[in-house]
Amino acid sequence: QMQLQESGPGLVKPSETLSLTCSVFGGSVSSSSDYWGWLRQPPGKGLEWIATIYFSGSTFYNSSLKSRVTISVDTSKNQFSLNVASVTAADTAVYYCARRSSNVAFDNWGQGTLVTVSS
Amino acid sequence: DIQMTQSPSSLSASIGDRVTITCRASQSIGIYLNWYQQKPGKSPKLLIYGASSLQSGVPSRFSGSGSGTDFTLTISSLQPEDFATYYCQQSSVMSVTFGPGTEVHIK
Repeated sequence: QMQLQESGPGLVKPSETLSLTCSVFGGSVSSSSDYWGWLRQPPGKGLEWIATIYFSGSTFYNSSLKSRVTISVDTSKNQFSLNVASVTAADTAVYYCARRSSNVAFDNWGQGTLVTVSS
Repeated sequence: DIQMTQSPSSLSASIGDRVTITCRASQSIGIYLNWYQQKPGKSPKLLIYGASSLQSGVPSRFSGSGSGTDFTLTISSLQPEDFATYYCQQSSVMSVTFGPGTEVHIK
C-alpha cells in the first residue's frame, strides 16, 4: 500500500520561499508508469494543481504559478520536492503531494500539510 | 488552459436519493475526466477515472458517464458517508484543471 507524506515548515514569511518535500513509501518515484504532483487548496476553496514531475526530470507547471515554482525529484531518497518563491498570503493553503498513475488521475494522495504565509 | 465548470454548486438530498452532478469542459477532452470525493479535513479520494471507470474499492453506486465536453457523476442511492464535496478534473493535457466543486448536503 503506497503512502505519501508531506513535510516542511507550517509557517513562512511573506517574500520568502516555501519548501516542501514528499516522501514516498511502498512505491518508487522511479516507476516508469507514474508521475508525481503537487496540488494545493486554500482554506475553504477548491483544488489547484501546481506542478508535476517524472523521474527522468521532465516537469510540467501551472502557467499561473510557473514563474515562482520549482518541482524536483530525488530518486536516491525516493522523494520529490516543491519550492514556491516570493510567497504572499494568497499562497496560504493545504499543500498535497500525489501520484498520477497510468490511469491519468491522481490516485494516491498525501494527508496534506497546511502552510500559512504570515509575518 | 481548459476551464471546468460544475453544476450545481451545492445540493441537498436525502438518504436513498439518486444524485447527479454535471461537469463541463471548455473544450473537448475526450474521456480524460476524473471525479474525486473530498470530506472535510481529508485528502481528495479518486472515485472515477477515464470518465466512467470505477476506481478500485469504490462502491458501485458511483458511476460516471460522458465524453467530449459534458460529463456526469451519478450516485444511485445516496448513503450517509457520501455527504462530501465532489470535484471533476480534466487530464487531457499535463496542465490539469479542476472544477469548482459540488457540495452534497443532508436534506
